[in-house]
Amino acid sequence: GAVVSQHPSWVICKSGTSVKIECRSLDFQATTMFWYRQFPKQSLMLMATSNEGSKATYEQGVEKDKFLINHASLTLSTLTVTSAHPEDSSFYICSAEGTGNTEAFFGQGTRLTVV
Amino acid sequence: GQNIDQPTEMTATEGAIVQINCTYQTSGFNGLFWYQQHAGEAPTFLSYNVLDGLEEKGRFSSFLSRSKGYSYLLLKELQMKDSASYLCAVSSEGNYQLIWGAGTKLIIKP
Repeated sequence: GAVVSQHPSWVICKSGTSVKIECRSLDFQATTMFWYRQFPKQSLMLMATSNEGSKATYEQGVEKDKFLINHASLTLSTLTVTSAHPEDSSFYICSAEGTGNTEAFFGQGTRLTVV
Repeated sequence: GQNIDQPTEMTATEGAIVQINCTYQTSGFNGLFWYQQHAGEAPTFLSYNVLDGLEEKGRFSSFLSRSKGYSYLLLKELQMKDSASYLCAVSSEGNYQLIWGAGTKLIIKP
């Protein structure tokens, strides 16, 4: 199957700083990427849908100014958590789909801890 | 509204068979996915059903009935490594944005 690489796998940052998470499709062009957040013992929650070359579509309740998404190329989308706070500590996962795919390919996930 | 229901937790014995059910109510339907997720890891794809019937893939099979809004994941010859959460997800729109169930935690006992 297709490979989606997410980096970093884990990150610890101080409260008030910003963290950037990268999601790359290694062997296919991802026209659409999705960003999810998962709190312990809960299901995946979609944060936003990112389409190459256009603004991301955010789900209700997700602050677009806090979670900046950039999808500047067909192989890279980034999620920047700005002014992170301890409550932003979570597992962030990206997934990508190319044209005609019938499954979403997931990155490895990023565990963010804000101290 | 859109809703996906699956049991919270199930327990089964190593070597046995277990069926995890999923019912859904969505505004549209473009396929149903099953994913396996081990703790602390991203989900991994197991199966995709868009037509009614049974799809078999090794020890895992997935069934879909669109008229009933129902699917199940069947795991045979259970192994300890199958202990994980199993997530049912429905694609209700053409862009494959998924609606997720809460997941079923499967516990395998020796």
